[in-house]
Amino acid sequence: TQLLEQSPQFLSIQEGENLTVYCNSSSVFSSLQWYRQEPGEGPVLLVTVVTGGEVKKLKRLTFQFGDARKDSSLHITAAQPGDTGLYLCAGARLTGGGNKLTFGTGTQLKVEL
Amino acid sequence: ETGVTQTPRHLVMGMTNKKSLKCEQHLGHNAMYWYKQSAKKPLELMFVYSLEERVENNSVPSRFSPECPNSSHLFLHLHTLQPEDSALYLCASSLQPGTRNNEQFFGPGTRLTVL
Repeated sequence: TQLLEQSPQFLSIQEGENLTVYCNSSSVFSSLQWYRQEPGEGPVLLVTVVTGGEVKKLKRLTFQFGDARKDSSLHITAAQPGDTGLYLCAGARLTGGGNKLTFGTGTQLKVEL
Repeated sequence: ETGVTQTPRHLVMGMTNKKSLKCEQHLGHNAMYWYKQSAKKPLELMFVYSLEERVENNSVPSRFSPECPNSSHLFLHLHTLQPEDSALYLCASSLQPGTRNNEQFFGPGTRLTVL
């Protein structure tokens, strides 16, 4: 079983601060996805990174896929209370049953005024 | 609104009850999934259906019984559950399991409490 470890597990910061969340594995993935989940809702896809070293930006969020496609990071600039939520990374790996997602352990982010 | 709906949103049941969770997707996807989300654990994949056929069953106890009558609907039938089965049950869909990125779209989940 491949594990995706996310760090930190919990993060509480003030509005306007920057932060980085890490997603690490010993396995290689064909792509990696980031989701955000708010209380009482399901995860919502933010971005998919496919190529090793790829960087994608979504407003104040910057996502990077590691060169070896084993890890990823999410950087948030000038965090806002609306960024509060559970951030999940998920690695896609081709198996006999198709392209299977393995989800990370999650990072719970709270941004306070 | 992700195009995936789940009912009910909340369910409380006793260990001897039988209930069903329903999921519907309006995205024209061919694959549907059931996940279990418990506190302090990663999302656990339970079942995968592709074109209405079950293609994966991740060692889920038989007290959970999935049903996929067509590519838009997915059910999870529950019977004689245990208190440790209390969790958020999430349904998801994707274009099909074999697509390279397998981007999945989730419903809001059913919060299940087993007394």
